[in-house]
Amino acid sequence: KAGVTQTPRYLIKTRGQQVTLSCSPISGHRSVSWYQQTPGQGLQFLFEYFSETQRNKGNFPGRFSGRQFSNSRSEMNVSTLELGDSALYLCASSSGSRTGGYGYTFGSGTRLTVV
Amino acid sequence: AQKITQTQPGMFVQEKEAVTLDCTYDTSDPSYGLFWYKQPSSGEMIFLIYQGSYDQQNATEGRYSLNFQKARKSANLVISASQLGDSAMYFCAMREVPNRDDKIIFGKGTRLHILP
Repeated sequence: KAGVTQTPRYLIKTRGQQVTLSCSPISGHRSVSWYQQTPGQGLQFLFEYFSETQRNKGNFPGRFSGRQFSNSRSEMNVSTLELGDSALYLCASSSGSRTGGYGYTFGSGTRLTVV
Repeated sequence: AQKITQTQPGMFVQEKEAVTLDCTYDTSDPSYGLFWYKQPSSGEMIFLIYQGSYDQQNATEGRYSLNFQKARKSANLVISASQLGDSAMYFCAMREVPNRDDKIIFGKGTRLHILP
C-alpha cells in the first residue's frame, strides 16, 4: 500500500512569488490535512480537506489556500511568499472518520525556502 | 492555553537504557485520543502509538508503551532498551473526538539523543 506522497521534496522560491505543493494521500483516504512546521512555532495546522471540501481551517492568512480533487489528491498554494513562509510543509492523510481514534499518516514533507 | 505540553526540549540517554518522554494535555472533552509521533532528521512524521481516553489498558507497541494517567492528564511515552536509531524528535499529540475542529494538536516536541 503506497504511503502519502508529497512533491516536490525541496523548493527554493523568491519573495513575492507563489508556490504550489502537492499531496497524494493513501488510497482510500478521503481526508488530507496540511501542517506548517518551523523551529519557532512547531507544527501548526493549516487546513483539512475532506471529499473536496475544506472542513477545517487554521489561523493562517488568506495567502495560504488549498484544494482537493475528486481523487483525494490535494494541493496547497501560497501566494506572495514571505521569508517567514520558509518551513517544512507536511501533509497527512486519514480516513476522515470523526469517530475513529486513529491518527494521520504523514508524507515526507516539502521543505520550502524563501530567499 | 496550550493543549499539549512537552516539558523536555532535549534529552540525552545512554544506549540500551529506558527513556520516558513527558506529555501532559488539557481537554474538557471526555472522548479524545492521544498519539506519539517520531520525526527523524529526514522530516517524515512516523506514527508510534495511540491511546484512547476510554481504553482501560495502557497502549503498547513493541518497545514503545504509553503511560496513561487520565486523572493527571498525562500520557508519557516509554521507550525500552533504547537504540541509536531512536535519536529523533518526538511529538505528543491529541485529537478531541468528537469535536468541531477535526484536527490533531501537537506539542512542541522533545529532541532525543541516544549516546553510544
